[in-house]
Amino acid sequence: GDSVTQMEGPVTLSEEAFLTINCTYTATGYPSLFWYVQYPGEGLQLLLKATKADDKGSNKGFEATYRKETTSFHLEKGSVQVSDSAVYFCALITQGAQKLVFGQGTRLTINP
Amino acid sequence: DARVTQTPRHKVTEMGQEVTMRCQPILGHNTVFWYRQTMMQGLELLAYFRNRAPLDDSGMPKDRFSAEMPDATLATLKIQPSEPRDSAVYFCASGLWAETQYFGPGTRLLVL
Repeated sequence: GDSVTQMEGPVTLSEEAFLTINCTYTATGYPSLFWYVQYPGEGLQLLLKATKADDKGSNKGFEATYRKETTSFHLEKGSVQVSDSAVYFCALITQGAQKLVFGQGTRLTINP
Repeated sequence: DARVTQTPRHKVTEMGQEVTMRCQPILGHNTVFWYRQTMMQGLELLAYFRNRAPLDDSGMPKDRFSAEMPDATLATLKIQPSEPRDSAVYFCASGLWAETQYFGPGTRLLVL
């Protein structure tokens, strides 16, 4: 079945560091890919998405590129802030599917 | 700014008691999801509805959990009887179809 695998957390970085959170997927067909973010004490919210190969999703300084050849959708940010501390979830949905498939989440902590 | 609302935000109860959680989806959204989040299991999909009809509740323990949508503005998740292992954060999410889901703030349930 469809699945999403994220890099193990937790990840701890200093402010202004470069961030990469790896995400790879297994899916039948051509999925749409998503990153959701969960700030402390809140529900998940959509951060960015890409619907076809080579698309780049971006939002709030975060970027992720849909790489079909490596079945990956890694999340990157050039300079993180303390306010980026959160749990990040990679997810996919295939055409015609009724629900998102989430990865296990990666907890990110940014120290000042 | 339309949001998904959930009540109660926190609930502490004793084992064996009935628990009812409520969700008001965003007006116009046709799909409602119930998730459970724990440290051990991560984010689990319990059930979801489209146009108020249940599509899949295979993620729920059938003997004690039930989910309904009495009308388009209310979704409920009930646990009867509750057990300590049900302690978790329960999220409701709504959307147009399944791709972009808007999560509520969650109900934090503690069963003693």
